[in-house]
Amino acid sequence: DTEVTQTPKHLVMGMTNKKSLKCEQHMGHRAMYWYKQKAKKPPELMFVYSYEKLSINESVPSRFSPECPNSSLLNLHLHALQPEDSALYLCASSHGGQSNQPQHFGDGTRLSIL
Amino acid sequence: GNSVTQMEGPVTLSEEAFLTINCTYTATGYPSLFWYVQYPGEGLQLLLKATKADDKGSNKGFEATYRKETTSFHLEKGSVQVSDSAVYFCALRRITGNQFYFGTGTSLTVIP
Repeated sequence: DTEVTQTPKHLVMGMTNKKSLKCEQHMGHRAMYWYKQKAKKPPELMFVYSYEKLSINESVPSRFSPECPNSSLLNLHLHALQPEDSALYLCASSHGGQSNQPQHFGDGTRLSIL
Repeated sequence: GNSVTQMEGPVTLSEEAFLTINCTYTATGYPSLFWYVQYPGEGLQLLLKATKADDKGSNKGFEATYRKETTSFHLEKGSVQVSDSAVYFCALRRITGNQFYFGTGTSLTVIP
């Protein structure tokens, strides 16, 4: 069992839909991340939150909108996605500012855009 | 800049064979180094880590030693099992900040 919980596990949506991905951790981590992963590729960083503030946005299109309501929760709001956005979306967390600590990943949401 | 270069795959081995997956890095200062494993349909799981030069990380029979002089962190296992079939990612964390850098991943298949 992973300590980072992501819901839903699978999501199919049309290009005009609005949906949200959710991520939760209770390890007291203050850095949280969204990654996009295509098959047989490494995770691509999308966003980093540090102490509930957005610290890194890797030039992600505005159809992806992150939100960090509190230190345990991270959301990714989706709107008007394109077929090329179909991928595995991974959430991760780590101790903020402690450089020797690893990231902990959830099992991801498998997103398919019709 | 910061980057991780990882041995290209895929790698296919027979059960009980010796495994080496090469990883070298470029970084300023002394980053922390990690190996992650990803099984089909799952997220990345931390396999082992090393935080300073000459540290050896180990877990489940896997080992990797942080070599500052060669900027390397090669993953080894003496006798692989079918259950080790997965994709392995080498990663580093900068000495400051929260960003991680991943290698391209190496797919390992172990056949009975």
